[in-house]
Amino acid sequence: TQLLEQSPQFLSIQEGENLTVYCNSSSVFSSLQWYRQEPGEGPVLLVTVVTGGEVKKLKRLTFQFGDARKDSSLHITAAQPGDTGLYLCAGAIRDSNYQLIWGAGTKLIIKP
Amino acid sequence: DSGVTQTPKHLITATGQRVTLRCSPRSGDLSVYWYQQSLDQGLQFLIQYYNGEERAKGNILERFSAQQFPDLHSELNLSSLELGDSALYFCASSASWTGATYGYTFGSGTRLTVV
Repeated sequence: TQLLEQSPQFLSIQEGENLTVYCNSSSVFSSLQWYRQEPGEGPVLLVTVVTGGEVKKLKRLTFQFGDARKDSSLHITAAQPGDTGLYLCAGAIRDSNYQLIWGAGTKLIIKP
Repeated sequence: DSGVTQTPKHLITATGQRVTLRCSPRSGDLSVYWYQQSLDQGLQFLIQYYNGEERAKGNILERFSAQQFPDLHSELNLSSLELGDSALYFCASSASWTGATYGYTFGSGTRLTVV
């Protein structure tokens, strides 16, 4: 059974702090995506990473794909209240015919 | 506006009833995916259609069915509704038969409440 574990499940921090969210699996992914979901809305794609060791930056967000393509991290620098939301990772596995496997999400609250 | 349109946005119905949720994918996208999200839960994959054909099935109950029409819009039918079916139902679309490279575009969801 392919499983994609996200940690932490919940994180509440003050504005201006840094944080890292993790996404781990025992499976090798052909690609991995991060989404952000706000309450009552659908998830919105933030980034797709495909190469082991790849690092992508989106303003204050830094995404890293592990060398072995089994894990990924999302680092937010100087978090702002607008970063509040549910962060979901999703990975595509060749053995699952590239269907996206979803993590349960990290609920992030940034307090002003 | 993501380009994926879901209707209705809210639906309240009684147990035992049947409802139909509608989704129009982003222009040019051939794949449609249906997901269920219960309160404080992750996304549960239900079913995928690609260019009118069923491509993948997830944890979809036998009481639920879906189809994709020639104009590529899709409908999710939920019957014999139970209280536990109350959830957000999302439709997503992608250009190819897999969203592995370019990801999914999600609609805003239909909030179903069964009373």
